[in-house]
Amino acid sequence: GAGVSQSPRYKVAKRGQDVALRCDPISGHVSLFWYQQALGQGPEFLTYFQNEAQLDKSGLPSDRFFAERPEGSVSTLKIQRTQQEDSAVYLCASSHAVQLNYGYTFGSGTRLTVV
Amino acid sequence: AQRVTQPEKLLSVFKGAPVELKCNYSYSGSPELFWYVQYSRQRLQLLLRHISRESIKGFTADLNKGETSFHLKKPFAQEEDSAMYYCALSGRGADKIIFGKGTRLHILP
Repeated sequence: GAGVSQSPRYKVAKRGQDVALRCDPISGHVSLFWYQQALGQGPEFLTYFQNEAQLDKSGLPSDRFFAERPEGSVSTLKIQRTQQEDSAVYLCASSHAVQLNYGYTFGSGTRLTVV
Repeated sequence: AQRVTQPEKLLSVFKGAPVELKCNYSYSGSPELFWYVQYSRQRLQLLLRHISRESIKGFTADLNKGETSFHLKKPFAQEEDSAMYYCALSGRGADKIIFGKGTRLHILP
């Protein structure tokens, strides 16, 4: 595709509900990242994939957060038993290079509101 | 610890005046430094990276290893520069990018 696509754009979840957020990276991009951006803050790293391998999940805030990229393209970020503190914009980014000095291309994000 | 500090949450500058957005970093080693920008209702996008020593939209940033700074500068501000600016760093090779909290630049007419 022309860019990184994320869906849904907006999600309202009741506390305790499970949610799944989807990311379609740019075709052929090897590296894929998930970030969480709370209101008024910069993006915070969650997890990183190189193809289908999840190489770094050090930023996932709890075991309620789970990410996968089974075929090395589309990725899903799943949050179980959502809490109010999970409310944030979830950003996906991809990069064609393994080495990151080229920077990333970001999607528009999914705004999650937990009520 | 790896950290990016942007001391100003908001910077207001008159059109035509010089702009300097401050960024300091903490990193053990030689990081890659970036500036990202987010215009209203648009996605986060790369503005420039120190390794390429480029000037984009009139903006430049010089890496000062002694002061561990990577300030973003533009000699004459334009109204279309109003946006949220994030300084960021990564380690060399495959590594996550760490972002600062961002500075909102507001250009006054």
